[in-house]
Amino acid sequence: GAGVSQTPSNKVTEKGKYVELRCDPISGHTALYWYRQSLGQGPEFLIYFQGTGAADDSGLPNDRFFAVRPEGSVSTLKIQRTERGDSAVYLCASSLGTRFPPTDTQYFGPGTRLTVL
Amino acid sequence: AQSVAQPEDQVNVAEGNPLTVKCTYSVSGNPYLFWYVQYPNRGLQFLLKYITGDNLVKGSYGFEAEFNKSQTSFHLKKPSALVSDSALYFCAVRAHGSGNTGKLIFGQGTTLQVKP
Repeated sequence: GAGVSQTPSNKVTEKGKYVELRCDPISGHTALYWYRQSLGQGPEFLIYFQGTGAADDSGLPNDRFFAVRPEGSVSTLKIQRTERGDSAVYLCASSLGTRFPPTDTQYFGPGTRLTVL
Repeated sequence: AQSVAQPEDQVNVAEGNPLTVKCTYSVSGNPYLFWYVQYPNRGLQFLLKYITGDNLVKGSYGFEAEFNKSQTSFHLKKPSALVSDSALYFCAVRAHGSGNTGKLIFGQGTTLQVKP
């Protein structure tokens, strides 16, 4: 079956611009996670959705970052007034989420590489 | 605070030799432990996980990992390395207990280079 998909695969923007990154999870997965991976580092947690609600947004670095999942499937990560330090690969993962807290495996998408000039 | 350490930035092995990629963790409570592999310009692929039970966990592509509670380690192993195993490997931990939302804490990653 189809895995987690993310669009676009690459995004180049200018400092100060607004960007949206999209994640389409595996069908039937209720839990969805966003991570950010900077060059040479491991992924860092940003936000977790269970269904439509953000159950944990403790990893969002500041109020320029926001994410939504209005229908409990596709999620969009939104970054306002982008800064050069936002340049990274943004990874999305999903899991079945049938238990809370979810103990099941997270499956990752290919990521969106964001470059802020 | 939860953390994961992968003490080696790079591991070099010859094809056909056994390989070990090291991981130690620090969590309060029982850990859930994971290994993922990342190929260039691709997302993370799940290899294996430890939740409970047998300390030796077998996963995809012939990989296995041993959970050692006393040493707080979860080293990844394979009896015979392949050139195609060359990639970036990440260890991750998730704490078990109330308040845990399931987020993974990742190590810095270890590059495995298998030479023919």
